[in-house]
Amino acid sequence: DAGITQSPRHKVTETGTPVTLRCHQTENHRYMYWYRQDPGHGLRLIHYSYGVKDTDKGEVSDGYSVSRSKTEDFLLTLESATSSQTSVYFCAISVRLAGRTNTGELFFGEGSRLTVL
Amino acid sequence: GESVGLHLPTLSVQEGDNSIINCAYSNSASDYFIWYKQESGKGPQFIIDIRSNMDKRQGQRVTVLLNKTVKHLSLQIAATQPGDSAVYFCAEGGDQGAQKLVFGQGTRLTINP
Repeated sequence: DAGITQSPRHKVTETGTPVTLRCHQTENHRYMYWYRQDPGHGLRLIHYSYGVKDTDKGEVSDGYSVSRSKTEDFLLTLESATSSQTSVYFCAISVRLAGRTNTGELFFGEGSRLTVL
Repeated sequence: GESVGLHLPTLSVQEGDNSIINCAYSNSASDYFIWYKQESGKGPQFIIDIRSNMDKRQGQRVTVLLNKTVKHLSLQIAATQPGDSAVYFCAEGGDQGAQKLVFGQGTRLTINP
């Protein structure tokens, strides 16, 4: 357990409404990530953060924005949810080892299941 | 484009037998490979990793083999237990960091009693 908490764990919303998912970590890790997981696609990176107010796009960033105003929280926002954004969203942190930027050893949260009707 | 795939989407084995889960990768520049386990309703969990300068790495009841010649990765689980039932993902990457990881779609491992 890397002290990662996602909220909400489940949400049903309607097309066109804004949605914000929260990822909270307790261990002061620098790198945080948002992934979505869909059948037939595996895990795909949406956005990631490498520090407070430092974020970058991933593979499937269209329709999503993120914010990181403090180390422990990484927010994922869908400004206007669409049915194609129905998915399970995972937050992850990366453990930084001495002498390396970050590793592929990711610790994931329990996921947030979002349904957009 | 580059992709990471799996030979079999499902695998069923008897409890106590050994399991072998395979993964093919296509990016010859990848030098870091990871296996994750995902139980139903949970997030993926790191199992073991291997760098391209190694052919084999062992953990507790798990062994990862890397064949760079044919770009193939496998995860061997010894004496499978009911708790091993899960979806197993491989992922490939390099020194660019975790944000460059490419995940496979997963193999579902079912353990029969």
